Amino acid sequence: QQQVKQSPQSLIVQKGGIPIINCAYENTAFDYFPWYQQFPGKGPALLIAIRPDVSEKKEGRFTISFNKSAKQFSLHIMDSQPGDSATYFCAASSAPGYALNFGKGTSLLVTP
Amino acid sequence: DAGITQSPRHKVTETGTPVTLRCHQTENHRYMYWYRQDPGHGLRLIHYSYGVKDTDKGEVSDGYSVSRSKTEDFLLTLESATSSQTSVYFCAITPGGGGNEQFFGPGTRLTVL
Repeated sequence: QQQVKQSPQSLIVQKGGIPIINCAYENTAFDYFPWYQQFPGKGPALLIAIRPDVSEKKEGRFTISFNKSAKQFSLHIMDSQPGDSATYFCAASSAPGYALNFGKGTSLLVTP
Repeated sequence: DAGITQSPRHKVTETGTPVTLRCHQTENHRYMYWYRQDPGHGLRLIHYSYGVKDTDKGEVSDGYSVSRSKTEDFLLTLESATSSQTSVYFCAITPGGGGNEQFFGPGTRLTVL
């Protein structure tokens, strides 16, 4: 069964908007939560990751918010640009060297 | 692509034929993984390796086998390809001797007719 649930499936925002993608998990053993960005025909690229001991992490225009009690985390893209149009995946894992459990992905379109 | 090469990049084959996909890395990474990506399913782990000759099954391992006879190569074999194995296959590595980060290769698009 899907261990990480991701929503929405697709998202359209205007340039400058702040798309938000949400993920939820059940397994409390998960302790590493990355986000990947994937362009058509390419492999997923690690964007940003967080551990449950912090509630927020920022890298450039990308921010992860983490709510341990709710078992939810989300990706915010500030000042979104058309070049951010891609598919975004959240994931979770429980230990180093273990599998990443992926959400089903969100297709983001940023219109000019 | 994290210094990972995958070959072939594209392959079309027929049902019932054996297929081997190769993942090659040159940085002596210990951990290597094979995932498949299908629309509506995200990425799912097929098999992974934590060292030479050390491999284990993932979520969707049925119909697949792997081998790792040397650090730099991780091979994925479909013994008798089926149409349900039409997919994009990604290899990934964890840098160094361990950790949580995984970096993905460029992928192999496999079509089974």
